[in-house]
Amino acid sequence: QITLKESGPTLVKPTQTLTLTCTFSGFSLSTSGVAVGWIRQPPGKALEWLALIYGDDNKRYRPSLKSRLTITKDTSKNQVVLTMTNVDPADTATYYCVHRQFYNWNEWGQGTLVTVSS
Amino acid sequence: QSALTQPASVSGSPGQSITISCTGTSSDVGAYNYVSWYQQHPGKAPKLMIYDVSNRPSGVSNRFSGSKSGNTASLTISGLQAEDEGDYYCSSYSSSSTLPYVFGTGTKVTVL
Repeated sequence: QITLKESGPTLVKPTQTLTLTCTFSGFSLSTSGVAVGWIRQPPGKALEWLALIYGDDNKRYRPSLKSRLTITKDTSKNQVVLTMTNVDPADTATYYCVHRQFYNWNEWGQGTLVTVSS
Repeated sequence: QSALTQPASVSGSPGQSITISCTGTSSDVGAYNYVSWYQQHPGKAPKLMIYDVSNRPSGVSNRFSGSKSGNTASLTISGLQAEDEGDYYCSSYSSSSTLPYVFGTGTKVTVL
């Protein structure tokens, strides 16, 4: 059974750096075609893909946010970390960690709501 | 960086069938058979309902079906039930180097 769980702060001040951790189980990032991604959803709005990392450390970022995002993995801990610098109230959203295999977002974490406010 | 276009809302009575469209371009929906659909209930994480245009994951009701024609993909829910109410999003892989993973604008399904 694949599970993913996001952890991190619920409240961040503008201009600060947000660090979110995804702890997963039930799969290996080393498996071909498997990746872990981050997707966010501002309140009342649509889903928005942010970043993706494969077992071979290949990474992809949403172009409009690329300068602010960093995704890393710790295979020994089964964790993926997303860092977002210089946050703004527009970054207020529920952030989801998601298992991706081939071309589908197969399993989702429960999500964590992050509010950016002073 | 454009999202795939979906109708904002679709409604139907119990037992009826409804169809949600998802319109993209020749760089995403039209180029690949990698369209997937997600159901989201209020306050919950999305759930994969259809992958690779028309395939259902294990455990998903056969009342859900998917198809594609040109640049438009569709999700049909037959025998509509109260539990089908929620938001639905399509997603596609894209050859665009600017945004390889794109989601739809979302559709709210209401069971009357």
